[in-house]
Amino acid sequence: EAGVTQFPSHSVIEKGQTVTLRCDPISGHDNLYWYRRVMGKEIKFLLHFVKESKQDESGMPNNRFLAERTGGTYSTLKVQPAELEDSGVYFCASSQQGKNTEAFFGQGTRLTVV
Amino acid sequence: TQLLEQSPQFLSIQEGENLTVYCNSSSVFSSLQWYRQEPGEGPVLLVTVVTGGEVKKLKRLTFQFGDARKDSSLHITAAQPGDTGLYLCAGYRINDYKLSFGAGTTVTVRA
Repeated sequence: EAGVTQFPSHSVIEKGQTVTLRCDPISGHDNLYWYRRVMGKEIKFLLHFVKESKQDESGMPNNRFLAERTGGTYSTLKVQPAELEDSGVYFCASSQQGKNTEAFFGQGTRLTVV
Repeated sequence: TQLLEQSPQFLSIQEGENLTVYCNSSSVFSSLQWYRQEPGEGPVLLVTVVTGGEVKKLKRLTFQFGDARKDSSLHITAAQPGDTGLYLCAGYRINDYKLSFGAGTTVTVRA
């Protein structure tokens, strides 16, 4: 069975441009999470989907970030317009329905804004 | 301030030595998890502890959850170069669906 996959693995864009990150969770996993690790800091929560619904988006930095999960399958995270401080590694994780279930992480997307 | 304080940040030891990584918080967690992350990969779950005072062993790795469910430790016995990596603690607070992470401990085991 395929794990959580993220695309692209790396992205280098200029300040002001738009980037869209994609996450394909493990099939059947209702919970989908986005996290981010900025250089030198801990991994921080961005938002949580249960199926297609946003359950918690308290970690989203600002309105330049937009996440969607169409049909409760894959998810996208768009940053528009990107700023220098958006650089970091963006992780997606998925888990089965319920609380405290094991979260499986993708390999991450390393975003560099120059 | 971070919800989970992990220490030390870096640890370099000789093969065969023992090491302990600590994860502390002022909050109570319904469960704590330890992950290991390799370069270019996402975190991979090693263990989950859910009961206060619980001890779990995974070969040479021993994980302990504090009695009050606010802290945890990871102990590696007779470390090997293959244990080199980034170790992360993370947990679900009570009634929370999202993981909170510590900053991680980079462990280097020299041959």
